[in-house]
Amino acid sequence: AQSVSQHNHHVILSEAASLELGCNYSYGGTVNLFWYVQYPGQHLQLLLKYFSGDPLVKGIKGFEAEFIKSKFSFNLRKPSVQWSDTAEYFCAVNILTGGGNKLTFGTGTQLKVEL
Amino acid sequence: DGGITQSPKYLFRKEGQNVTLSCEQNLNHDAMYWYRQDPGQGLRLIYYSQIVNDFQKGDIAEGYSVSREKKESFPLTVTSAQKNPTAFYLCASSPDRINEQFFGPGTRLTVL
Repeated sequence: AQSVSQHNHHVILSEAASLELGCNYSYGGTVNLFWYVQYPGQHLQLLLKYFSGDPLVKGIKGFEAEFIKSKFSFNLRKPSVQWSDTAEYFCAVNILTGGGNKLTFGTGTQLKVEL
Repeated sequence: DGGITQSPKYLFRKEGQNVTLSCEQNLNHDAMYWYRQDPGQGLRLIYYSQIVNDFQKGDIAEGYSVSREKKESFPLTVTSAQKNPTAFYLCASSPDRINEQFFGPGTRLTVL
């Protein structure tokens, strides 16, 4: 069965530090890739997505992610985090098959940014 | 405002009782989904519906039931057969099976 792995469960950074959150998936076919964020007390919302084309995608609030097909990875990055980036981040992979599709989420990474 | 509404925000029930969680969307999306979120486990798919009057089981459908009689509504019933029903439940919708999903604010269910 396909799976999505987020290796960092809890990350603590100081403001202005750089961020990279890992995401790997196990499926060799066509996929669409997403990063979602859940700020405290708020809805889960889309940060960015990759369907095709340039493997480096930019999202909201200065986030970006790079799709590396050979490594089955879609890591999330931000050069300089802010206190307001404190949230839980979820990677999700939509596996596209002829019979349907399925969006599978990783277990999430809780990011805490300290002042 | 277009979006997804879930009610109530908090719900308490006694063990052995069925409970229905509401999900309504005014985005004119065809597909709707129910997830369960538990700490450290991410989101797990309970049921989904690609079109009115049709729905499919997700990864953890046991103890749950749904209906999709209207495009904008996708209620979830947590039955007494669900062994561990206390959780945060999220409803989502998407225009089709490929594009991103939009999420509601969630319902936190506590079974006492």
